[in-house]
Amino acid sequence: AIQMTQSPSSLSASVGDRVTITCRASQGIRNDLGWYQQRPGKAPKLLIYAASNLQSGVPSRFSGTGSGSDFTLTISSLQPEDFATYYCLQDYNYPFTFGQGTKLEIK
Amino acid sequence: EVQLVESGGGLVQPGRSLRLSCAASGFIFHDYAMHWVRQSPGKGLEWVSGISWNSGTIGYADSVKGQFTISRDNAKNSLYLQMNSVRAEDTALYYCAKGVNYDILTGLDEWGQGTLVTVSS
Repeated sequence: AIQMTQSPSSLSASVGDRVTITCRASQGIRNDLGWYQQRPGKAPKLLIYAASNLQSGVPSRFSGTGSGSDFTLTISSLQPEDFATYYCLQDYNYPFTFGQGTKLEIK
Repeated sequence: EVQLVESGGGLVQPGRSLRLSCAASGFIFHDYAMHWVRQSPGKGLEWVSGISWNSGTIGYADSVKGQFTISRDNAKNSLYLQMNSVRAEDTALYYCAKGVNYDILTGLDEWGQGTLVTVSS
């Protein structure tokens, strides 16, 4: 199975900060990667699909880049509702695999 | 509005079987792949299984292959997960999720709220 290594595992930041989360695949996965946000007690929510495409309804402060094996999620200006856990997911082949998650906390 | 409602979770003894269901509405069910994802208490997300629109392509996580069976009934707009010989490590919140399109190899764009499975004697 493809391994997804996500970093950092946790991150403290302030409202208005720009933050970046990275995900590295153990092999090339083209652009078959999505980013998901999970708030406490809630189901995950798709933010970015195909590495760089913003899901409908998701604020434009979220963006994704990358292809092959290295990917990034950037939040340009953190808002209070952005403090959550973020996961990458490769859907290049099965079994699909998630990164271990990045918990974004308020500084 | 897309709705995915999971059911069938509960307390089950090790070695027993359980069948989870997911009732879908608000979209043309037979046009989309569907998936199960689980989350153990306090842990990260784990993809469990996926099935294409016509059940022609199915995939499983290595951790459940040969133990779990995914299926769907397009006439009933329903997705299922048959869980056999359950173990303590299968304890988790199980989410039903909709694929972006008919193919299994796409992202998951809608999620249910999950059904909790607890494996304990």
